[in-house]
Amino acid sequence: KQEVTQIPAALSVPEGENLVLNCSFTDSAIYNLQWFRQDPGKGLTSLLLIQSSQREQTSGRLNASLDKSSGRSTLYIAASQPGDSATYLCAVKDNAGNMLTFGGGTRLMVKP
Amino acid sequence: AAGVIQSPRHLIKEKRETATLKCYPIPRHDTVYWYQQGPGQDPQFLISFYEKMQSDKGSIPDRFSAQQFSDYHSELNMSSLELGDSALYFCASSLRDNYGYTFGSGTRLTVV
Repeated sequence: KQEVTQIPAALSVPEGENLVLNCSFTDSAIYNLQWFRQDPGKGLTSLLLIQSSQREQTSGRLNASLDKSSGRSTLYIAASQPGDSATYLCAVKDNAGNMLTFGGGTRLMVKP
Repeated sequence: AAGVIQSPRHLIKEKRETATLKCYPIPRHDTVYWYQQGPGQDPQFLISFYEKMQSDKGSIPDRFSAQQFSDYHSELNMSSLELGDSALYFCASSLRDNYGYTFGSGTRLTVV
């Protein structure tokens, strides 16, 4: 059974810092990996999607990498802003099924 | 662009009552998923439908049932509600052979 872990669980940084969020998964037979952002009590906003054949995806200040063989993905946020404060979730879609398995999320606070 | 529409946004029910949540996927998306997110928890997969047929089943209680209709909208029916059913319920849609999931804003169910 796929298990997804995110480290750290919480992170507080001053505005302007570059930061890295980590995601690891136990079964490397994945179809794709998706990073989401969730504001408190709100829905999930898709940030980046990486197919299993890809190594990274970029969108603005966000860059996500995937190392399938080692079961890891990182989300890099450049020049963090207070508006980036949210919970960041990574989710893996396995080859075997069609559902997503989520990590526990990283709660990010960017202080002005 | 059209997104995934969920209704209602908020719902308050008493124990042992029944609730029905609705989801309207993105046009031309052929797969619908339901997730449950308890307070402080990551989303847990409940059930999915592909082309109006149930495709995968997760940790959905027997008290819950779901279906997808001819217009591709889906409904999650929850009976004999318990206090522990209080959660955010998300619907997501995707193209089965395509890429990422798009989530709706969720329905917040409170059972009192």
